Amino acid sequence: QKEVEQNSGPLSVPEGAIASLNCTYSDRGSQSFFWYRQYSGKSPELIMFIYSNGDKEDGRFTAQLNKASQYVSLLIRDSQPSDSATYLCASQMDSSYKLIFGSGTRLLVRP
Amino acid sequence: DAGVTQSPTHLIKTRGQQVTLRCSPKSGHDTVSWYQQALGQGPQFIFQYYEEEERQRGNFPDRFSGHQFPNYSSELNVNALLLGDSALYLCASSLGSTGSGMNTEAFFGQGTRLTVV
Repeated sequence: QKEVEQNSGPLSVPEGAIASLNCTYSDRGSQSFFWYRQYSGKSPELIMFIYSNGDKEDGRFTAQLNKASQYVSLLIRDSQPSDSATYLCASQMDSSYKLIFGSGTRLLVRP
Repeated sequence: DAGVTQSPTHLIKTRGQQVTLRCSPKSGHDTVSWYQQALGQGPQFIFQYYEEEERQRGNFPDRFSGHQFPNYSSELNVNALLLGDSALYLCASSLGSTGSGMNTEAFFGQGTRLTVV
């Protein structure tokens, strides 16, 4: 079992819709969670992080964390074609410095 | 404000050779982590340097080594290159003094694409 799992996609949504990206993790010691966006051939770009149960909003992005279900999600409101990219979910344990990444979900926003 | 910079951007090496990749962290950051990203996969942690010491290492063989300089810049060295070492090598900088697991935001450089032939 992978430590951080994501559906590889592609997830296809029409422009203006809400895109919902999901991530599950196996280690209950994971404390912090990060969402990165990666365009093809480019490096990952940090979108936001979350470490408390509940929702965290930043502009069009909302991260949701449910530690009981070991589940993290990222909602993108009013999706734009420029949001088309691979979204990487990463976890970090309290006792560790490393980020553990999932394989990413490819998002395609159709004009 | 300069972000994380890496050099070179692309590199082609032959099996058995050695390679050195370089990274300068974001201004104000003192910690450098190195990741390897194979095609279609998420980045995998190689190691992290803080205060010129390796303070955590991932599951990579000893062929992978590194160094951090007093100005916080870092090098990743890979010896005896294998075809399987072909990947995007990413450097991430962060503030190390916040401690482990405390939402230590890491910012990535543009990466070095290494091809081993």
